[in-house]
Amino acid sequence: DAGVIQSPRHEVTEMGQEVTLRCKPISGHNSLFWYRQTMMRGLELLIYFNNNVPIDDSGMPEDRFSAKMPNASFSTLKIQPSEPRDSAVYFCASSLVLATISYNEQFFGPGTRLTVL
Amino acid sequence: QKEVEQDPGPLSVPEGAIVSLNCTYSNSAFQYFMWYRQYSRKGPELLMYTYSSGNKEDGRFTAQVDKSSKYISLFIRDSQPSDSATYLCAMSASRGTSYGKLTFGQGTILTVHP
Repeated sequence: DAGVIQSPRHEVTEMGQEVTLRCKPISGHNSLFWYRQTMMRGLELLIYFNNNVPIDDSGMPEDRFSAKMPNASFSTLKIQPSEPRDSAVYFCASSLVLATISYNEQFFGPGTRLTVL
Repeated sequence: QKEVEQDPGPLSVPEGAIVSLNCTYSNSAFQYFMWYRQYSRKGPELLMYTYSSGNKEDGRFTAQVDKSSKYISLFIRDSQPSDSATYLCAMSASRGTSYGKLTFGQGTILTVHP
């Protein structure tokens, strides 16, 4: 298995531009998570989906951030307009969450390093 | 106050030392406790997980959970330079709105020098 795939790996953009991050979860997983990691705040959960439906988006910082999961094999995280404070590493993770068990391992992608100038 | 508190360090130890990493938490609903390891410029990877209270050992690594104190630990024996990484604790509730969701500590940066 190729694991969780994220693209691009690096993104440098100017303030005000739209940024779209992409994620392909592990085949067969039914949950997908978007995280943001900074030195100051650590790893923060932004939003997560279960069976392509957003379950909890309370971590999305503001309306400039939006996420979609049109099917089980693809998700996007969009920032519009981008700001310098959005500079961070964005991780996508996927998991198989079953009603019969509570423990679930999340598998992380390699991350997208975003720099907003 | 964050639900999970973890000292970010950094922690620097000589090769062969015993390393102790810790997290405290405030949410009594947490039942599953995990340690993830993150190498530089990589995504976190699961190292160990424990259910409820108790100890779990895997090679040089031992995870401990004390639910009465809301305190978890990871011990690394005979530390090696290859153990240099950021270690993140993570927790999950077994029921309710947190189902499927992990709450992470900030991570502790560990360097093991030869």
